[in-house]
Amino acid sequence: NAGVTQTPKFQVLKTGQSMTLQCAQDMNHEYMSWYRQDPGMGLRLIHYSVGAGITDQGEVPNGYNVSRSTTEDFPLRLLSAAPSQTSVYFCATESGRVGYNEQFFGPGTRLTVL
Amino acid sequence: RKEVEQDPGPFNVPEGATVAFNCTYSNSASQSFFWYRQDCRKEPKLLMSVYSSGNEDGRFTAQLNRASQYISLLIRDSKLSDSATYLCVVTTDSWGKFQFGAGTQVVVTP
Repeated sequence: NAGVTQTPKFQVLKTGQSMTLQCAQDMNHEYMSWYRQDPGMGLRLIHYSVGAGITDQGEVPNGYNVSRSTTEDFPLRLLSAAPSQTSVYFCATESGRVGYNEQFFGPGTRLTVL
Repeated sequence: RKEVEQDPGPFNVPEGATVAFNCTYSNSASQSFFWYRQDCRKEPKLLMSVYSSGNEDGRFTAQLNRASQYISLLIRDSKLSDSATYLCVVTTDSWGKFQFGAGTQVVVTP
């Protein structure tokens, strides 16, 4: 099993460009989320999903869109990249079973916006 | 004020020594607590959950103090492989409400 995979691993964008960060999981987990990690700050939640067809905003959603058409995939779209979106992005999954909260993270995408 | 605060370190620890550090949280409604480990440029991975009565996992001991709103992690007999950043995670058990600390860096030296 691959667990949680993310593509690409690295990406450089110019201001104003758009792109999609891919996240896929083969763990059959209901819950998926996107975080960004910046130096000196904890992981911050961007968007999350509790199941196919259901998404909601996290702490820092501006400038990002998500959709969840399948259990396996949860892509994150940057609409018009800005230098402030330079960060490391992690996708995470959780089983959703009551009382079991371990999150499994993908390897991350390192994004630089020039 | 950040909801979860950690001393960023680094804590420089000789191999074989003991190191301990805390994490404070501001939301008194927090219900679940975790320590995650993150190696340099890697993804976070669960180290251990923190239970009300405290718990051990090998050389690692976690404690929760609800009155003072902090959790702690103690590492005994430190190994070089324990060098990492340790993230404190707190949740109110509502999905989407996980709060991560910025991490405490531990460097174990020979």
